[in-house]
Amino acid sequence: KAGVTQTPRYLIKTRGQQVTLSCSPISGHRSVSWYQQTPGQGLQFLFEYFSETQRNKGNFPGRFSGRQFSNSRSEMNVSTLELGDSALYLCASSPMYRGSQETQYFGPGTRLLVL
Amino acid sequence: GENVEQHPSTLSVQEGDSAVIKCTYSDSASNYFPWYKQELGKGPQLIIDIRSNVGEKKDQRIAVTLNKTAKHFSLHITETQPEDSAVYFCAASKGGSQGNLIFGKGTKLSVKP
Repeated sequence: KAGVTQTPRYLIKTRGQQVTLSCSPISGHRSVSWYQQTPGQGLQFLFEYFSETQRNKGNFPGRFSGRQFSNSRSEMNVSTLELGDSALYLCASSPMYRGSQETQYFGPGTRLLVL
Repeated sequence: GENVEQHPSTLSVQEGDSAVIKCTYSDSASNYFPWYKQELGKGPQLIIDIRSNVGEKKDQRIAVTLNKTAKHFSLHITETQPEDSAVYFCAASKGGSQGNLIFGKGTKLSVKP
């Protein structure tokens, strides 16, 4: 099976712009979670989607949003970019079958640089 | 909320030696504890996980132990090899609709040939 794929892999934006990142989960996986990774804060949870519904949300401002489509693919959007949004954005998918609900498999990430 | 502490932040060992990384968690409701390995330029890779109904789990050179009473869990790597060099993260989760992972700050492991 192909792993989690994320596009684009690298992105450069300027302050005030918005950005959309895409994630395709492992085939058959129904849950998609997003994390932000920075040197200072480490890995932090953004939100989780399951069956096109946001099921859980981390402590990030409303500028960060996401959605999930019927084929389980997910996108996250960051509006009004700030310098501090520069980070590696990671997507993880989970099979959500009994006994493996929590197991999450990560993609390679999208490296976002805000200038 | 849940807090996960990880030690040490850096660890250097000789090839063939063992490496141990320790984590503590604060929320007794956490019941799932995975370990991830992250190499430069890549996303975290799941290497082993353990659930709260199990005290120890082993997979070849890697083992994880869990002490629910003390709320700590550890990763043990035996017979280390240079390709084990990476950053290792522990995490904790309560599962279900609160299945988000709370990560430790990571341990940079260097295995010297």
